[in-house]
Amino acid sequence: EVLLVQSGAEVKRAGETLRISCEVSGYTFKNSWISWVRQMPGKGLEWMGMVYPGDSETRYSPSFEGQVTISADKSIDTAFLQWRSLKASDTAIYYCARGADTYGFWGQGTLVIVSS
Amino acid sequence: EIVMTQSPATLSVSPGERATLSCRASRDIGKNLAWYQQKPGLAPRLLFTGASTRATGVPARFSGSGTGTDFTLTISSLQPEDFATYYCQQYNNWPPRHTFGQGTKLEVK
Repeated sequence: EVLLVQSGAEVKRAGETLRISCEVSGYTFKNSWISWVRQMPGKGLEWMGMVYPGDSETRYSPSFEGQVTISADKSIDTAFLQWRSLKASDTAIYYCARGADTYGFWGQGTLVIVSS
Repeated sequence: EIVMTQSPATLSVSPGERATLSCRASRDIGKNLAWYQQKPGLAPRLLFTGASTRATGVPARFSGSGTGTDFTLTISSLQPEDFATYYCQQYNNWPPRHTFGQGTKLEVK
């Protein structure tokens, strides 16, 4: 069974750093892209970018490039999404999903709340 | 960037009736379109890829169609569990610039 299990909710202050994770099981992690998708409160889905764990190649949406860093550690079958300096506007649910173009398997989501 | 526009924003339909949801791309994306269903508090669920290929486990009452810039998701006879928000997503680009529509909320009339 393919599973993507994300780290728990986070409450942070603006300016802090944060890294959230997505641990996968049930398939060969290094062979499939992992994407990250943002959902701001009450809003729709936004594709942020993706990583190929096999060689750590990354691709970003122009809207998110430079704002976040996507990475993967194939030794622990885990992908990461990180921020160097959070903003209140980063408050959202963040989903990881398996795939480079369509997403058949999703994590449960990580709620990130950033206070100003 | 390819902009995806869904209509209507909210659709009110009675159980047992047919629902038709639309998605339009700002330029030709061929059949590189996916549909997702999302219920409150849950991750999205993939319904269709390639505009009309049903994902595993998706009931036959769901159908997808379209090519180019205009796409449709049809639910032939609404069941209580079908009331949710539906998103279309294009994946026509490389390097990827995947974009979602803003969603259609399907609610009980």
